[in-house]
Amino acid sequence: AQSVTQLGSHVSVSEGALVLLRCNYSSSVPPYLFWYVQYPNQGLQLLLKYTTGATLVKGINGFEAEFKKSETSFHLTKPSAHMSDAAEYFCAVEGQAGTALIFGKGTTLSVSS
Amino acid sequence: EAGVAQSPRYKIIEKRQSVAFWCNPISGHATLYWYQQILGQGPKLLIQFQNNGVVDDSQLPKDRFSAERLKGVDSTLKIQPAKLEDSAVYLCASSFTTHKSGELFFGEGSRLTVL
Repeated sequence: AQSVTQLGSHVSVSEGALVLLRCNYSSSVPPYLFWYVQYPNQGLQLLLKYTTGATLVKGINGFEAEFKKSETSFHLTKPSAHMSDAAEYFCAVEGQAGTALIFGKGTTLSVSS
Repeated sequence: EAGVAQSPRYKIIEKRQSVAFWCNPISGHATLYWYQQILGQGPKLLIQFQNNGVVDDSQLPKDRFSAERLKGVDSTLKIQPAKLEDSAVYLCASSFTTHKSGELFFGEGSRLTVL
């Protein structure tokens, strides 16, 4: 069965600092991996996804993530945090073909000036 | 294009009462999902439809929850009777396909408070 673990329920950074949100996955099949962002009182929005091919994936708003099979990780990074990045971030793995996404518990990102 | 529409946005009920949530997916999206998001947790799948057929309802508490998508378009999720632990945000999502890497588009959610 597939699952994801997000390390750290809350991450705080200063504006302009590096953002690193951690995600490890477990999958019995080659995984498809996703990062979603949720702003207060809004639905989830896709940031980026890894399917096949290039292991470094670039998404919206300057975020990127690297798929590392040897470490079963898919960490999300952004070189310089902005106040508008404050939100909740969810890592997700696609289950068996045709099944729904399985989400981690989420990491709340706070950005201070 | 219009996004996933959900209503109501907020609902407060007493335990043992019933409640229904409505979702209208993006036009042309064959797959519709209902997720439950309890405070502090990630979304958990309740049920997945492909057109008007159920693909996965293994995590739906069928003694109190029901969902339908009669014409393969909009969907209704019902809870009867509600329990305190049903307090959560109910997210509806849709996708064009169920094939791997199909992006899910989420509505803003329906927040349920059970007193």
